[in-house]
Order: sequence, then structure tokens, then C-alpha cells
Amino acid sequence: ETGVTQSPTHLIKTRGQQVTLRCSSQSGHNTVSWYQQALGQGPQFIFQYYREEENGRGNFPPRFSGLQFPNYSSELNVNALELDDSALYLCASTTGTEAYYEQYFGPGTRLTVT
Amino acid sequence: GQSLEQPSEVTAVEGAIVQINCTYQTSGFYGLSWYQQHDGGAPTFLSYNALDGLEETGRFSSFLSRSDSYGYLLLQELQMKDSASYFCAVRADSGYSTLTFGKGTMLLVSP
Repeated sequence: ETGVTQSPTHLIKTRGQQVTLRCSSQSGHNTVSWYQQALGQGPQFIFQYYREEENGRGNFPPRFSGLQFPNYSSELNVNALELDDSALYLCASTTGTEAYYEQYFGPGTRLTVT
Repeated sequence: GQSLEQPSEVTAVEGAIVQINCTYQTSGFYGLSWYQQHDGGAPTFLSYNALDGLEETGRFSSFLSRSDSYGYLLLQELQMKDSASYFCAVRADSGYSTLTFGKGTMLLVSP
């Protein structure tokens, strides 16, 4: 049990709509990353939040945005949905030092855009 | 940029040993991780190598050679429940830290 939860589990949206996905991080972890995983691919990094500030972003357009709250829960917002946004969206909280690094993934939200 | 190469699929029988290789080209390198993902599930952490050498955890071991930009995951005494996708992932730096994942290796264990 990683302690990372995500909601909703599944979601179906129409092209052009907006969606908000939610993540509750592992207790005590102040860093959360969001990933997109297309079918048959590895997770692709979207962005990372540390203490409510975005501190890293992958190769995703601005219509992908996020928030992290004081309790370290977070949201991923996607505007103007496209068919290619259909994927599993994973959030992960992080613990690490220079010698050790582990990300705890939530179960994901399966987004289907029609 | 970053790129990681690993085989797309490996098959083995129960009780066997299998090795999944990973080569990487990254602009920075701080460590190599391995994650397991069952169909439809969340990736789960298996190992992290920051230094050269072999790390052993039960039936699973992971190896890193930084000079060769190469690592592998070794799974021993395979069980049916080991059928899953396995991802290698690079941590590029120690500050702003996230992971760059390979495309994954699907391991199929048969009786």
C-alpha cells in the first residue's frame, strides 16, 4: 500500500472539453510528479511540484497545468482535450537522497477522449 | 535529450532466470531505477542503483555500469506472478529530480 490515491479511476470526455484529475500524496512527501502513460509505452513526465511550486516540466503544452495544495495533494488540469490525450495519468510522490530515490505511484486515472 | 533502450518482450518459464537489459543516453545521470507494472496497475519500485555494481533484493537483482551507460535487472526463480512490464528509468540530476522511463519490457512467464 503506497498511500498515493487518485480520482477518478476512469473518465470519458469529449474532444475540446476540460478535465481535472486529483492526487493525494504519500504522507510526508512534499514532491509530486505527474506522468502520462500511453498504451504500450513508458510513463512520460508532465511536470513536478515541490512545496506548491512547479519546479520542472516535460515536453507538454501549456494546456496541461497543475496545482499543489498545502496538504501536498495536487491536481492535473488539461484544457481543450485532444484525442491523443487518451492515456493513463499517474501521479507519484517522491522520497530520496543523493544515494537513494523512490517514487510511489498512485493507481492512475484512465482518461478516454472521444 | 534522453533515450533508454530495453527489449520489448522477453519470455521464460517458471523457475528460470531472466535478465532484462537497459542502455541509456542522457545529458545527466544520477541513478538507474527499475519499476514493475502489472497490466492496468501502478508502477511499483523494484530497485535504484546510484553506484556501479550489483544490488540484490530477494529474487531480484539490479546491476549498473556507469562507464558503459548500461544496467540490467535479473529475476531469479521466476514465478507466474512475475509476468508484467518492467521499466528502467534514469534520474538525471539530484536537484530537480524526476525519472525518464524506457518503453518497457513485457515479461511473459509460462508454466
